[in-house]
Amino acid sequence: EAGVVQSPRYKIIEKKQPVAFWCNPISGHNTLYWYLQNLGQGPELLIRYENEEAVDDSQLPKDRFSAERLKGVDSTLKIQPAELGDSAVYLCASSLAGDTDTQYFGPGTRLTVL
Amino acid sequence: QKEVEQNSGPLSVPEGAIASLNCTYSDRGSQSFFWYRQYSGKSPELIMFIYSNGDKEDGRFTAQLNKASQYVSLLIRDSQPSDSATYLCAVLNTGNQFYFGTGTSLTVIP
Repeated sequence: EAGVVQSPRYKIIEKKQPVAFWCNPISGHNTLYWYLQNLGQGPELLIRYENEEAVDDSQLPKDRFSAERLKGVDSTLKIQPAELGDSAVYLCASSLAGDTDTQYFGPGTRLTVL
Repeated sequence: QKEVEQNSGPLSVPEGAIASLNCTYSDRGSQSFFWYRQYSGKSPELIMFIYSNGDKEDGRFTAQLNKASQYVSLLIRDSQPSDSATYLCAVLNTGNQFYFGTGTSLTVIP
């Protein structure tokens, strides 16, 4: 069974540029999470989807971050415009039945903003 | 106050010893608790979850939960060099929000 797929694995952009990350969860997993992880810190939840509905986006900086999961499968996280402080690893995870189930993480996208 | 707090370490133990990792949480009504392991440059992977007070054992790993003290721990028996990683505590709080701690770095010395 394929795991959570993320692309790109690495991205380097200049500040004020837009950037997008893509995630394809494990087949059949209806819950999808986007996390941000800074070096030496734990992952911080940005948004959680149940199917195509964003059920928790309270920690998503909505002035510059947006996300979508139109068909309830794969998802895109966008930053526009990027700032220097956005440099981090962006992790996508999925699970079968909500938060109490096992979350499977993708390999992450390492973003560097210059 | 942070939702989940961990001692960042680093924690060093000799091979074969017991490693003890600790975590406290602020939301007294939290019901679900998780331990993840993260190797350097890799993504977190779930080791164990625990919902009830007391101990839960899985091989060399034991999770301990004390809701009255808002404390959860992970014991690793017979520590191996391959256990060297960062261990993340995570909590699902009463608002159904998922929070990770900052992680404790463990090094097992051969």
